Amino acid sequence: AQSVTQPDIHITVSEGASLELRCNYSYGATPYLFWYVQSPGQGLQLLLKYFSGDTLVQGIKGFEAEFKRSQSSFNLRKPSVHWSDAAEYFCAVVILSGAGSYQLTFGKGTKLSVIP
Amino acid sequence: EAGVAQSPRYKIIEKRQSVAFWCNPISGHATLYWYQQILGQGPKLLIQFQNNGVVDDSQLPKDRFSAERLKGVDSTLKIQPAKLEDSAVYLCASSYGQLNTEAFFGQGTRLTVV
Repeated sequence: AQSVTQPDIHITVSEGASLELRCNYSYGATPYLFWYVQSPGQGLQLLLKYFSGDTLVQGIKGFEAEFKRSQSSFNLRKPSVHWSDAAEYFCAVVILSGAGSYQLTFGKGTKLSVIP
Repeated sequence: EAGVAQSPRYKIIEKRQSVAFWCNPISGHATLYWYQQILGQGPKLLIQFQNNGVVDDSQLPKDRFSAERLKGVDSTLKIQPAKLEDSAVYLCASSYGQLNTEAFFGQGTRLTVV
């Protein structure tokens, strides 16, 4: 079945430390991949996206992600975390649903806590 | 550019009551989505519209949930009757197309069923 997996439910890092959030997908065709961030009480904001081309994509707020087809992964990284990065992060992939439409499907999310 | 507008932001109802949520997408966006996000989980797609037609409602509990998008612009999601397990945040999103375009999300409606 087509799916998106985020193995880490909760990650805690110190401010200034580097960050990597993992995302794996299961999808037969070339995927369209996204990372969204959700702050408490807010909707989802797009951090970055991958459609094709360069496998290292840059996003907003200093985030980047690398698409690795061989590993079916699209991990999110940031070299130095700020306290304001504390939020929940969702990986998403556009899949072709059984109904024949293209559907944006989300992982279960990784909650990031930042220690001052 | 105005974002996706949703109302109300919060709603508390008793079980078996009915409730409706409203969404106004970004102007020009043909695709509109309703997602249900239960606490601690990722958003789950309930229904997807392309203009005023439904393209996917396979995960919509049709015995109690209904949605419409009249004139291909704003949309309403209704629950009747509500159950305790419907407590969640209901997110509306819109995009220009279905495939290689970004979806923009509203702030959501937090529903509590007591």
